[in-house]
Amino acid sequence: KAGVTQTPRYLIKTRGQQVTLSCSPISGHRSVSWYQQTPGQGLQFLFEYFSETQRNKGNFPGRFSGRQFSNSRSEMNVSTLELGDSALYLCASSPRTGYSPLHFGNGTRLTVT
Amino acid sequence: QQQVKQSPQSLIVQKGGISIINCAYENTAFDYFPWYQQFPGKGPALLIAIRPDVSEKKEGRFTISFNKSAKQFSLHIMDSQPGDSATYFCAASMGGNNRLAFGKGNQVVVIP
Repeated sequence: KAGVTQTPRYLIKTRGQQVTLSCSPISGHRSVSWYQQTPGQGLQFLFEYFSETQRNKGNFPGRFSGRQFSNSRSEMNVSTLELGDSALYLCASSPRTGYSPLHFGNGTRLTVT
Repeated sequence: QQQVKQSPQSLIVQKGGISIINCAYENTAFDYFPWYQQFPGKGPALLIAIRPDVSEKKEGRFTISFNKSAKQFSLHIMDSQPGDSATYFCAASMGGNNRLAFGKGNQVVVIP
């Protein structure tokens, strides 16, 4: 089976712009979660989608949003980018929600200048 | 606040030795405790996970020990190999969802 695919791998944006990141989960996986990874804060949960419904949202401002499509593919959007949004954004898929392995993609490296 | 705390921050182990990483958690509602391994340029990958109804789980060279009363759990890597050099994250979740609270990570270096 193909793994979790995240596109693009790298992005450079300017403060104030917005960005959309894409995630294709493993075939058959209905749960998609997003995490932000930074050297200072580590891995922090953004949100989880299951069957197109947002199940959980982390402690991030409303500038961070996401959605999931009927084929389980997911996108996350960050509007009005700030320098502090520079991070590795990781997507993870799982066949179900809870008590099961998260399969992570290799992430999208976002740099905000 | 950090819900899961990891120690030590980094570890250097000789090949063949035992690597031990400890984690402590605060929220007694946590009921799923996985460990993830991450190599540079890659996403984390699940190593092993435990539920609080057991005190120990072993998979190959990797063992989780769980102490519910102390709210601590640890990862033991037996017969450490240079290929085990990576960053290890403990995590916890509750209520059957995929919202994981991760520790800050521990860099393990295995020297030949």
